Amino acid sequence: KNEVEQSPQNLTAQEGEFITINCSYSVGISALHWLQQHPGGGIVSLFMLSSGKKKHGRLIATINIQEKHSSLHITASHPRDSAVYICAVSAGNQFYFGTGTSLTVIP
Amino acid sequence: EAQVTQNPRYLITVTGKKLTVTCSQNMNHEYMSWYRQDPGLGLRQIYYSMNVEVTDKGDVPEGYKVSRKEKRNFPLILESPSPNQTSLYFCASSPISSGSTQYFGPGTRLTVL
Repeated sequence: KNEVEQSPQNLTAQEGEFITINCSYSVGISALHWLQQHPGGGIVSLFMLSSGKKKHGRLIATINIQEKHSSLHITASHPRDSAVYICAVSAGNQFYFGTGTSLTVIP
Repeated sequence: EAQVTQNPRYLITVTGKKLTVTCSQNMNHEYMSWYRQDPGLGLRQIYYSMNVEVTDKGDVPEGYKVSRKEKRNFPLILESPSPNQTSLYFCASSPISSGSTQYFGPGTRLTVL
């Protein structure tokens, strides 16, 4: 069972490109989270959202509750954005995670 | 500095030798959780705790135990480790329940031979 599905699994982009990562979920949620994991393992939370849209610098996250879908956009991508991006949902008191999208931005 | 700490960061052990991975947070968070991360499977929740003395199973609790005797600490105990518990383990905390931003520890890479 996969409560959270992400696409694409891998993504390579040229510096400056606009990037979109998609996330679909199948459970009722209280919030959706986007996480970033750099090589070497550390995980940081980028966004938590339960409706609408949030923006932080070049990153934008949107969620459509009716369609159970979220997107993470990166504008003007940069090599330092290279990382694994993970979608997670909180449902009840538990968390469910997508398998991640590995992004490589080439200079 | 607000942080979640885990120890040890790396551990190689043998089958059946009991071990404990410690997790501590200094943010007075109520919610704490343990995850394991495996290639192709992503992160999966092992156990979580809503507050002191309140713990519950996540998706993959078999072979693990936890306790929450103090608000800041949430150790993960493997009473009889097996090779299929070789994984990267993360502890995380958040202010309230699962509907708030999580703060992750640096991870513990465990190898069970």
